[in-house]
Amino acid sequence: DTEVTQTPKHLVMGMTNKKSLKCEQHMGHRAMYWYKQKAKKPPELMFVYSYEKLSINESVPSRFSPECPNSSLLNLHLHALQPEDSALYLCASSQGVSGRSETQYFGPGTRLLVL
Amino acid sequence: AQSVTQLGSHVSVSEGALVLLRCNYSSSVPPYLFWYVQYPNQGLQLLLKYTSAATLVKGINGFEAEFKKSETSFHLTKPSAHMSDAAEYFCAVTSSGGGADGLTFGKGTHLIIQP
Repeated sequence: DTEVTQTPKHLVMGMTNKKSLKCEQHMGHRAMYWYKQKAKKPPELMFVYSYEKLSINESVPSRFSPECPNSSLLNLHLHALQPEDSALYLCASSQGVSGRSETQYFGPGTRLLVL
Repeated sequence: AQSVTQLGSHVSVSEGALVLLRCNYSSSVPPYLFWYVQYPNQGLQLLLKYTSAATLVKGINGFEAEFKKSETSFHLTKPSAHMSDAAEYFCAVTSSGGGADGLTFGKGTHLIIQP
């Protein structure tokens, strides 16, 4: 099973709301990633977790707060977002043992609209 | 730092014709290169990857790519296009090195299949 699941599929929120995106994998992977994909653009890396520790933060604004409660779960907490944050948020995972040649498996994404 | 450039934001081919999607990389260290496909409203799926084991890489759905160091290229080909190949294709790169790292994507090529 090479499935990464993401919930919710769609999310509409106001600029004052607090919401969370959830990502789950049961492949035993120890590296997990958040990417942001604007319409008709490539995905851009936001965060990397390795063995439940944040290893890369690509200078993402603090209104995005990642959390990795355990090796199977990755959350992205959202607060005070701006309309320009509207995008497809993709989660991915990889084994986390062989370095950068590993395949990253992507979830279907959460489509976020900020009003 | 590493990057990839995809030539042609849109490529149109007839069903049954050769598919050629171009990707050139720039990296100061030996790269790992990936081709991903994204169907509308979906996540990304790995087609194939180069990790230095072999320069000609075969992937899923009849796709293959050849790593050419002298040309810094990793072009994706398929001998005979099928209507189901219509999608967005991304070339991506990571650099060799330890630890998990995010993918750096090219801008993508939209493949159109004409009946």
